[in-house]
Amino acid sequence: SQQGEEDPQALSIQEGENATMNCSYKTSINNLQWYRQNSGRGLVHLILIRSNEREKHSGRLRVTLDTSKKSSSLLITASRAADTASYFCATTSGTYKYIFGTGTRLKVLA
Amino acid sequence: DSGVTQTPKHLITATGQRVTLRCSPRSGDLSVYWYQQSLDQGLQFLIQYYNGEERAKGNILERFSAQQFPDLHSELNLSSLELGDSALYFCASSYGTSGGYNEQFFGPGTRLTVL
Repeated sequence: SQQGEEDPQALSIQEGENATMNCSYKTSINNLQWYRQNSGRGLVHLILIRSNEREKHSGRLRVTLDTSKKSSSLLITASRAADTASYFCATTSGTYKYIFGTGTRLKVLA
Repeated sequence: DSGVTQTPKHLITATGQRVTLRCSPRSGDLSVYWYQQSLDQGLQFLIQYYNGEERAKGNILERFSAQQFPDLHSELNLSSLELGDSALYFCASSYGTSGGYNEQFFGPGTRLTVL
């Protein structure tokens, strides 16, 4: 079963708007990572947040982590058409296994 | 370009056959991971190798096997192929291995079609 579940499954917004996607997981984690995947391509690492961190920023990306709720959110500000992709969260929980969520498909309309 | 290479890019074969997918990690990376991505199952972790040794196993079928060679490249062998094995197979690499503290770099994938 999937450790991470992203929500929403799909999101369509206008260029310039902010996009927020959420990830929920089931067990305690070491850290949580977000990846982006353009259609049919390999995943690209965006950001890593450790279990003892609550918020992290990287450029237009803001990630929060709430370990009490076992959830994380990824905010993309001032979205661009080039942000159109699928976004996945990935967790590890004391093992070496990376568990990826089901992904959010983001479409940014120009 | 992530620095991870995978060959071949596309593979079309018949049920019952055996194929080998190859992955070369980024220079300096010691860990190699294999994933299967299909429409209905999402991205599934299959197996990880670190410096030639198996380190973690995910939902890998018994018909599938992998190994990492001394030069750190890895091969994923899929045998007795079934229609349901049609998917994108990704290889990823990272420098270390411990508990997910390392960013993974993904290759472009091999698209396997079983007819």
